[in-house]
Amino acid sequence: DAGVIQSPRHEVTEMGQEVTLRCKPISGHDYLFWYRQTMMRGLELLIYFNNNVPIDDSGMPEDRFSAKMPNASFSTLKIQPSEPRDSAVYFCASSRSPGSVGSSGANVLTFGAGSRLTVL
Amino acid sequence: AQSVTQLDSQVPVFEEAPVELRCNYSSSVSVYLFWYVQYPNQGLQLLLKYLSGSTLVKGINGFEAEFNKSQTSFHLRKPSVHISDTAEYFCAVSEAGGSYIPTFGRGTSLIVHP
Repeated sequence: DAGVIQSPRHEVTEMGQEVTLRCKPISGHDYLFWYRQTMMRGLELLIYFNNNVPIDDSGMPEDRFSAKMPNASFSTLKIQPSEPRDSAVYFCASSRSPGSVGSSGANVLTFGAGSRLTVL
Repeated sequence: AQSVTQLDSQVPVFEEAPVELRCNYSSSVSVYLFWYVQYPNQGLQLLLKYLSGSTLVKGINGFEAEFNKSQTSFHLRKPSVHISDTAEYFCAVSEAGGSYIPTFGRGTSLIVHP
């Protein structure tokens, strides 16, 4: 398996522009997570999905952020309009359901390599 | 709700020396515990996990951690570190039987000097 695939790896944009980050989870994983990592705040959970349904989006900072998961193999995180304070590394992670066959009984996350966003 | 505290933001150590990275958690129910490692410019990867059974857990790259329920700790240790162990280490906890969604600590930067 190729693991969790994120694109783009790097994005530099200007304030006010729309940014779309993409994620392909591991096949067979039914949980998908979006995290943001900054020096100031560390690793923050933004939103997570179970079976393509958003379960908890309480970590999404504001209405400028939105996430979708139209099918089991694709998710997007969109920022519109972007601001300099959105500069961060955004990670996507996926996992099997804890009770599923092949699972260890706990949510063990596999992370993508991240998308480094710089908003000028 | 659970929480995790990593007591040290940065731990410098010389190559071949032992190291301990500290992690304490708070939860009112049984927990699962994890250590993840993040090498520069990469995503996090699982180092080891405690689900049940033996309180001493061995992971990849010679790391081990011990679950101490009375002290609510899950400290990570390695008897002899290598330059390549330089990375960010994250402790995480999830509630067994709950949402299973892990909560991560702020991370500890391990810096191994030659």
